[in-house]
Amino acid sequence: QKEVEQDPGPLSVPEGAIVSLNCTYSNSAFQYFMWYRQYSRKGPELLMYTYSSGNKEDGRFTAQVDKSSKYISLFIRDSQPSDSATYLCATSEGLTGGGNKLTFGTGTQLKVEL
Amino acid sequence: ETGVTQTPRHLVMGMTNKKSLKCEQHLGHNAMYWYKQSAKKPLELMFVYNFKEQTENNSVPSRFSPECPNSSHLFLHLHTLQPEDSALYLCASSHPQDLGGTEAFFGQGTRLTVV
Repeated sequence: QKEVEQDPGPLSVPEGAIVSLNCTYSNSAFQYFMWYRQYSRKGPELLMYTYSSGNKEDGRFTAQVDKSSKYISLFIRDSQPSDSATYLCATSEGLTGGGNKLTFGTGTQLKVEL
Repeated sequence: ETGVTQTPRHLVMGMTNKKSLKCEQHLGHNAMYWYKQSAKKPLELMFVYNFKEQTENNSVPSRFSPECPNSSHLFLHLHTLQPEDSALYLCASSHPQDLGGTEAFFGQGTRLTVV
């Protein structure tokens, strides 16, 4: 079983739609959850970061974590063509020697069409 | 720009070649990482360095050899690679944070093709 499962898509939506991206994870010890966005030919960039369960909102983006069901979600309101990218969910855990290990899902490719 | 610069952006090498990937960060971070991103697979952590010391080797084959001369620079030396090693190699940096909650900044990656 993969530690973080994510539907790879692709997902195609019309401009203005509400997008829902989801992941599940297996390790109940995970406390930190992140969403990265990766444009084509670029490295991933952090979009949202959540600690434990709950919601976090930033502009058109809302991240949700439900630790009881080990479910991570990202909602994008009023989606724009510039949101077209691959969205990667990840969990973060500290390493004994310092630094952190990010465990990623495979990423969901999103295309927002005019 | 994220403050993490990787060179080269693209690399094609034969299986008998030796090459190196370079990463430089100007963010004042002390933890640096190599990740591998293969098609249709999740990003996979390869190595972690914290204050120039290697703290994690995620069972990476010895044909990949990392080097961290200081907290701002990270190298990945490559030799006798296989075609299945073709992937996007991403460097990242962060503040060291034991609790797990710190942002990692990624470079643009080096697209490696082994022929």
